[in-house]
Order: sequence, then C-alpha cells, then structure tokens
Amino acid sequence: GAGVSQSPRYKVAKRGQDVALRCDPISGHVSLFWYQQALGQGPEFLTYFQNEAQLDKSGLPSDRFFAERPEGSVSTLKIQRTQQEDSAVYLCASSLGLGPSTDTQYFGPGTRLTVL
Amino acid sequence: QQQVKQSPQSLIVQKGGIPIINCAYENTAFDYFPWYQQFPGKGPALLIAIRPDVSEKKEGRFTISFNKSAKQFSLHIMDSQPGDSATYFCAASKGGSEKLVFGKGMKLTVNP
Repeated sequence: GAGVSQSPRYKVAKRGQDVALRCDPISGHVSLFWYQQALGQGPEFLTYFQNEAQLDKSGLPSDRFFAERPEGSVSTLKIQRTQQEDSAVYLCASSLGLGPSTDTQYFGPGTRLTVL
Repeated sequence: QQQVKQSPQSLIVQKGGIPIINCAYENTAFDYFPWYQQFPGKGPALLIAIRPDVSEKKEGRFTISFNKSAKQFSLHIMDSQPGDSATYFCAASKGGSEKLVFGKGMKLTVNP
C-alpha cells in the first residue's frame, strides 16, 4: 500500500521567501508528526496532530513556523520569511494512533529545504 | 539537555560481524524504545521496538537488549551484511503515541 508521501522533495528558497511543505499521511492514520532533521543529526520534533487538532507545537522553533491539518488528513508546514538556519530535511510521519499496539510512526522521504 | 544519548557515532565492521549500538536515556517516563534505519535520501524506517516490560526482543537478525535500572538499551545486528550499511537511530517516547526523541545517530559501514 501507499506510504507517507511528501512534496516537494527538494525546495530551494531565497532568504526571506515563504515556503509550504505538504504531507500526505497513510490513509486512516489519526496521528501526524512533523520533524526537522539537520545534516548529520537525528530528527527533532516540531509538532503533532491528532486528526485536525494540533495537540503539541512545542518544537516549532519560532512563530515563523506554522502547521495545519484542516480536514484531518493532508498537512502543510509553512515557513515564513525563511532564514539560512531553516535549511534542513523536514520529515513527516503518521501512525494509526489508536493505542499502544498501533504506535509505529511511518516516515515519509522528507523535503530537503535549502535557503540561500 | 540531550534526553537520548547514542554511541558510537560511527562504526566499521566486516561482513558477518556483530555491530552493537548503545543508547542511554534520561527520562524515566519513557516507555517505548524504537530503533530506526535510514538510508541516504530516505526517511527513517522502523527496525524493531521494545517496551520496558521485557529485557530482550529479537526480530530476524536484529536484537534489542533493554536494561531498565541502568536506563540503557542497545541494538545488536547479527551476521551483518553490506546492505546493512546505513545510519541507525535510537529513539524514545512516552506512551508510544507521542513525539519521538531521537539520538544523534550512528553511521554503520559493513565492508564486504
């Protein structure tokens, strides 16, 4: 079956531009997570949705970062006025989220953002 | 404060060797410990996961050992193959359905 998909796979932005990154989770998955992975580092949590509700946004690094999941399926991560330090791979993950036996987070391939 | 510490940062073994990757965690509320494998240009993929009610779990060539009192867990890869060359991440979460806290990763190279 289809896994988590993300688009675009690569994005180059000039400093100060706004970008929007899309995540299509596995169909029926309740939970959706966004992570940021800097080069040579482990993924770091940004935000978490359960259906359309954003339950945790404690990892968003600044108010330039905004995420939404209006219908409880597709999610968009938006970064306003991009800075060079925003350059990273942005990973989306989804899980069934119906209890301990359904916790596995399945990751998409990521969007590599480069800010010039 | 790094909540999950992973070591070593890199490892080179010969085919058939048994690389061991170690992780230590701080937060005693963590109760779900997965290991992920990541190839260049790909997202992390779950290998195996363990909860603190067992001390060891084996799936194929991959074994997790868990020491709750020491707050440590490790991944052993039996009969390693060149195709196992990748970056391995340990992670932890509270309740499993919450955010994962990852280690910094270990780059494994298995030479033919």
